[in-house]
Amino acid sequence: ETGVTQSPTHLIKTRGQQVTLRCSSQSGHNTVSWYQQALGQGPQFIFQYYREEENGRGNFPPRFSGLQFPNYSSELNVNALELDDSALYLCASSLFRESSYEQYFGPGTRLTVT
Amino acid sequence: AQKVTQAQTEISVVEKEDVTLDCVYETRDTTYYLFWYKQPPSGELVFLIRRNSFDEQNEISGRYSWNFQKSTSSFNFTITASQVVDSAVYFCALSGTATSYDKVIFGPGTSLSVIP
Repeated sequence: ETGVTQSPTHLIKTRGQQVTLRCSSQSGHNTVSWYQQALGQGPQFIFQYYREEENGRGNFPPRFSGLQFPNYSSELNVNALELDDSALYLCASSLFRESSYEQYFGPGTRLTVT
Repeated sequence: AQKVTQAQTEISVVEKEDVTLDCVYETRDTTYYLFWYKQPPSGELVFLIRRNSFDEQNEISGRYSWNFQKSTSSFNFTITASQVVDSAVYFCALSGTATSYDKVIFGPGTSLSVIP
């Protein structure tokens, strides 16, 4: 069992609203990434934070934004929700080393936009 | 452009059979990383392996083995003596640069069903 937690587990929002999803990192990990996974598809990379700075972003509009805190936990904010934003949102924390790599995913937040 | 193809959408095997999941990738980067992930019905993604593009050695971990062939741009995953608990969707993924390890591109996934 990993130490990555996400909240909330499920969420229902209305089109046009804003949402904040939260993720805690595995202890010792300094990088957090967020992914969107639509039903029946592979995850799509949203962005990555390393030591509180965004250092990589996928093809998502600016209304998807994030933060990483000094304890390496993270938030994903989505403004002006659209129906297509309905998906499972996964966060992953990781630690890069020269000779090894660790990555752990949280259980995800299921977002439904109506 | 980077792309990951998993041609097998769904595979069914009987328990104890061996099964190989195919993955073909495209990238122009000379340094890249390849990954395999497992997503069981519970939905939580599980990291299985990361392979550096400079390391073409095959790897074995218990019943799992991976065959990386740069010449054919493939990174196939074999499960030996499959078990019901192996039933899941498996994703192959590619990270294009050595400095953005997590900026991965996922394939569409292969759904594996192991029948008792």
